[in-house]
Amino acid sequence: GENVEQHPSTLSVQEGDSAVIKCTYSDSASNYFPWYKQELGKRPQLIIDIRSNVGEKKDQRIAVTLNKTAKHFSLHITETQPEDSAVYFCAASAGRLSFGAGTTVTVRA
Amino acid sequence: EAGVAQSPRYKIIEKRQSVAFWCNPISGHATLYWYQQILGQGPKLLIQFQNNGVVDDSQLPKDRFSAERLKGVDSTLKIQPAKLEDSAVYLCASSLFVGEWETQYFGPGTRLLVL
Repeated sequence: GENVEQHPSTLSVQEGDSAVIKCTYSDSASNYFPWYKQELGKRPQLIIDIRSNVGEKKDQRIAVTLNKTAKHFSLHITETQPEDSAVYFCAASAGRLSFGAGTTVTVRA
Repeated sequence: EAGVAQSPRYKIIEKRQSVAFWCNPISGHATLYWYQQILGQGPKLLIQFQNNGVVDDSQLPKDRFSAERLKGVDSTLKIQPAKLEDSAVYLCASSLFVGEWETQYFGPGTRLLVL
């Protein structure tokens, strides 16, 4: 089955700086890659996703890149704000969503 | 649009007891998922329904876990008997159709503690 690895497990950034989270996947058949944000005690919420026919996608301060050859994808958050503090999960799907272990992002004011 | 509803939000039981969780998906969503999220880990799929049929239950520990979606809308997930390692958040999600590109919307989860 699919194996998704996510790094780093924790990330602390100064407000206004950028944050980057990287994920790798094992199943070359995976073609859908969503990112979820989960605040403490709340439900995971989709923040951005990318499909295999696209190499990059941007939505305001959030961008995701995909390298299918290397089987890795990344989340980039620019101009971080305190409300960006949360756990971020990457996932990959070849029919079933497999999640990474999560990255706890802390934005220091 | 109402989101995915789950109940109860919290449950504490002793090992070997039984417990059941309920999920109501977003109206019109044909596909329903149950995930187990252990503290510090990402969600892991337990079972996926398309309407009232099972699409994928390969990761469901069938000796103690069962789930049903009899009328293709609400779903229940049961654990009988519970073990200490079942302590986790049980998340329900739904999507409009089944498909690898379908966005999944999650409920708030049921936090289970087994003592």
